Amino acid sequence: DAGVIQSPRHEVTEMGQEVTLRCKPISGHNSLFWYRQTMMRGLELLIYFNNNVPIDDSGMPEDRFSAKMPNASFSTLKIQPSEPRDSAVYFCASSHLTGELFFGEGSRLTVL
Amino acid sequence: GEDVEQSLFLSVREGDSSVINCTYTDSSSTYLYWYKQEPGAGLQLLTYIFSNMDMKQDQRLTVLLNKKDKHLSLRIADTQTGDSAIYFCAERRSNSGYALNFGKGTSLLVTP
Repeated sequence: DAGVIQSPRHEVTEMGQEVTLRCKPISGHNSLFWYRQTMMRGLELLIYFNNNVPIDDSGMPEDRFSAKMPNASFSTLKIQPSEPRDSAVYFCASSHLTGELFFGEGSRLTVL
Repeated sequence: GEDVEQSLFLSVREGDSSVINCTYTDSSSTYLYWYKQEPGAGLQLLTYIFSNMDMKQDQRLTVLLNKKDKHLSLRIADTQTGDSAIYFCAERRSNSGYALNFGKGTSLLVTP
């Protein structure tokens, strides 16, 4: 079975540009999570969805960040406009009723 | 928000036991987890313990839970160089659905 698939794996962009990160959860999983990992703050939960509905977005840093889950097999995290402090590894994870989170390989974002 | 606390670094010699400690925040957390992250990869679940248990053993891994002190530990017996990675403690808080609250991770270095 394919795991959680994220794209792109690496993105380098300039400050002010729009960034879109994509995630395909494991088929049949009904919860999807976006985390951000930095050296300073570790793993931070940005937002999570249950059955495609956003449940908790209190971790989204500010209005520049938005996330959508139009269907059970796809989610996006968008940053517009991007800033250097957004540089981090962004992880998507999905889970089913067992509660175990399955993580993707991450998208490493560098904003110059 | 409140932090799950872990020491940042641990170094052991091959063949010795490693003990990684964690203090979590929510005495009502139902599940507590240990995840492993290898360089450039996502997090993988190592083991978990339900809050009504004191101990769980899984091959070389032993998890101890002290609910009174909100303390969790992971012991790796006969540590190998392949165990070198970052280990994350995580709690599933009673009020956060399936979202996990992670510590900053303990970087384990195993030397020959």
